Amino acid sequence: DGGITQSPKYLFRKEGQNVTLSCEQNLNHDAMYWYRQDPGQGLRLIYYSQIVNDFQKGDIAEGYSVSREKKESFPLTVTSAQKNPTAFYLCASNQGAPNYGYTFGSGTRLTVV
Amino acid sequence: AQTVTQSQPEMSVQEAETVTLSCTYDTSESNYYLFWYKQPPSRQMILVIRQEAYKQQNATENRFSVNFQKAAKSFSLKISDSQLGDTAMYFCAFMKWGSGGYQKVTFGTGTKLQVIP
Repeated sequence: DGGITQSPKYLFRKEGQNVTLSCEQNLNHDAMYWYRQDPGQGLRLIYYSQIVNDFQKGDIAEGYSVSREKKESFPLTVTSAQKNPTAFYLCASNQGAPNYGYTFGSGTRLTVV
Repeated sequence: AQTVTQSQPEMSVQEAETVTLSCTYDTSESNYYLFWYKQPPSRQMILVIRQEAYKQQNATENRFSVNFQKAAKSFSLKISDSQLGDTAMYFCAFMKWGSGGYQKVTFGTGTKLQVIP
């Protein structure tokens, strides 16, 4: 079955560490997105990518980095510059037609310890 | 910039009853799409229903229907015959058709719906 796989489901980070969240899709979607979800704030866009080797900052990109070397993969690195990284992170994709909306992964819960 | 407002942080409904979740948005765009997503306790986001702004007819998906009022910029979700499995966080989302095909989506803050047996 086609879908988006996010791993790990839970991730713990020590202060000052960089961590990478994985997002893989087998839907052959061109566009991929990373959102951050915090209680009471909905989903906020971190980065997005429309094609391989190209990506753009979203609304809250500071302290994050991404790469898009393959169509299927869009990993997100949470750097030590992100001051409040504890959140739920969702990866999404869509196939370019706006009326289809997004397909989401199951998310990664990142906690700073 | 677009904004999406969900003014009901929490709601509850008795099983088998009907409930309406409200959503308003602000935009100067003429071409856009609206969605309702459901996030159950598993936290997997699921698309519930979609509405194209150029269509006057309200979208319906089984027990889920919307009341789309374009002039008022309102997009409410009605759930009929509520079931226990409807217990979830519901997010209203706005998608504009951007340049180069990128669809920037703005989400509301969500409404937590509890279906009571």
